[in-house]
Amino acid sequence: DQQVKQNSPSLSVQEGRISILNCDYTNSMFDYFLWYKKYPAEGPTFLISISSIKDKNEDGRFTVFLNKSAKHLSLHIVPSQPGDSAVYFCAANRKAGTALIFGKGTTLSVSS
Amino acid sequence: EPEVTQTPSHQVTQMGQEVILRCVPISNHLYFYWYRQILGQKVEFLVSFYNNEISEKSEIFDDQFSVERPDGSNFTLKIRSTKLEDSAMYFCASILTGHNEQFFGPGTRLTVL
Repeated sequence: DQQVKQNSPSLSVQEGRISILNCDYTNSMFDYFLWYKKYPAEGPTFLISISSIKDKNEDGRFTVFLNKSAKHLSLHIVPSQPGDSAVYFCAANRKAGTALIFGKGTTLSVSS
Repeated sequence: EPEVTQTPSHQVTQMGQEVILRCVPISNHLYFYWYRQILGQKVEFLVSFYNNEISEKSEIFDDQFSVERPDGSNFTLKIRSTKLEDSAMYFCASILTGHNEQFFGPGTRLTVL
C-alpha cells in the first residue's frame, strides 16, 4: 500500500534551470510533509517541510507547494546546481514526531 | 554541527546469528528511530523510542527485533536471529522535542549470508 508516491524515478535538468519534483499521497490523515535529499552511502538529509495548514514554504532555493485537495506536493529547486544531483525523497507523517512514510524517491541529475 | 553517528558502517553476518547495530543520536534529542532500506526499495520505518520505551512500531518490527538505550548516549537495534531478507541499510534518526525534522545517521549496511 503506497501511501506516498513519487511516480518519476528520475529527472534530468540543466544547471540554472528549475527542477520540479512531484509527490502524491493517499492518506488524508497526513499533517506534515518533508523532503529529504540522499547521496550514495549517506543517510537522508532533511531539506524542507510543510504542514497541512500551509500551501507554500520557502527556504532559499527550495520551495515546497502543497495542494491538499489534489493530495499533491512538489519541490521546486531554483536555480538548480550540479551539487543538487541526488535522490530526493518525499515523506509524510500524521503527527509531529511519528513514523515517516517515505516515497520511493526521484533521482535528480543536474548537468552543467 | 551535531550529527547522528552509526557503527559499524558495514556488518556481515551469517544467517541465524545475532547482530547489534549501534547509534549515537544528537545529544539533546530525546526521540529516536530506526528505519531500513532494502536495496532498490523505499525507506521503511521500524520503530520509535522515547523515554525508555517503544512509542510506535511497524509490522516489520517483530519479535526478532529489539531496541535499547543502554546508557545516556547509545541507542541500539538488535536482530536476534538474522535472515537473508534482513540484508538492508539500517538508518538511525533522532529529533528534538517539539520538532518534526528527523535527522538521520549515515546508516549501517547489513549483509546476511
